[in-house]
Amino acid sequence: GAVVSQHPSWVICKSGTSVKIECRSLDFQATTMFWYRQFPKQSLMLMATSNEGSKATYEQGVEKDKFLINHASLTLSTLTVTSAHPEDSSFYICSAGQGTRGYTFGSGTRLTVV
Amino acid sequence: KQEVTQIPAALSVPEGENLVLNCSFTDSAIYNLQWFRQDPGKGLTSLLLIQSSQREQTSGRLNASLDKSSGRSTLYIAASQPGDSATYLCAVSRTTGNQFYFGTGTSLTVIP
Repeated sequence: GAVVSQHPSWVICKSGTSVKIECRSLDFQATTMFWYRQFPKQSLMLMATSNEGSKATYEQGVEKDKFLINHASLTLSTLTVTSAHPEDSSFYICSAGQGTRGYTFGSGTRLTVV
Repeated sequence: KQEVTQIPAALSVPEGENLVLNCSFTDSAIYNLQWFRQDPGKGLTSLLLIQSSQREQTSGRLNASLDKSSGRSTLYIAASQPGDSATYLCAVSRTTGNQFYFGTGTSLTVIP
């Protein structure tokens, strides 16, 4: 079945530093991947759509200069949280789909900014 | 904008009981609906996917129904087990079938 690998599963970083999160589709190609964010006790909210070979599309209210998305190949998308601050602490999760076969989510990344 | 609501927010049942989780959405123009399970601090596990043209899907003890016209879906869990304890999320996709709108989830606890 479709497998999406996300790395790292958790990360702690100091305020002001940048953190990169990787999302890989292991056994299929994904021209589009999605990045979601989940704050404590809230549901997942779509942040951006990552398109292979082109710029990402960001949802309203998401700062594109802060959350850099790169989708350089058909199997890899990266999300970089630049100059992270404590309010960026959240659970980040990616997904990739195969059309009518459904969408597979990564295992998520727990980011804590101290 | 699509809004997805799940009721109840939390549910506690004794082991062996059958239960129903509810999901409603405001815009019936969906591509599909998917039910997920999320364990604490973990990612999502897909349980059932229902295409907009389908009425229900079954997998083991789970059965999900979809009534697109009324904007509702239910997840039925038969003979619940303690291992079923988790948060259950429903999500609907846009007409393009790519991006999901998630509900706030139902936190289920099955008591041994």
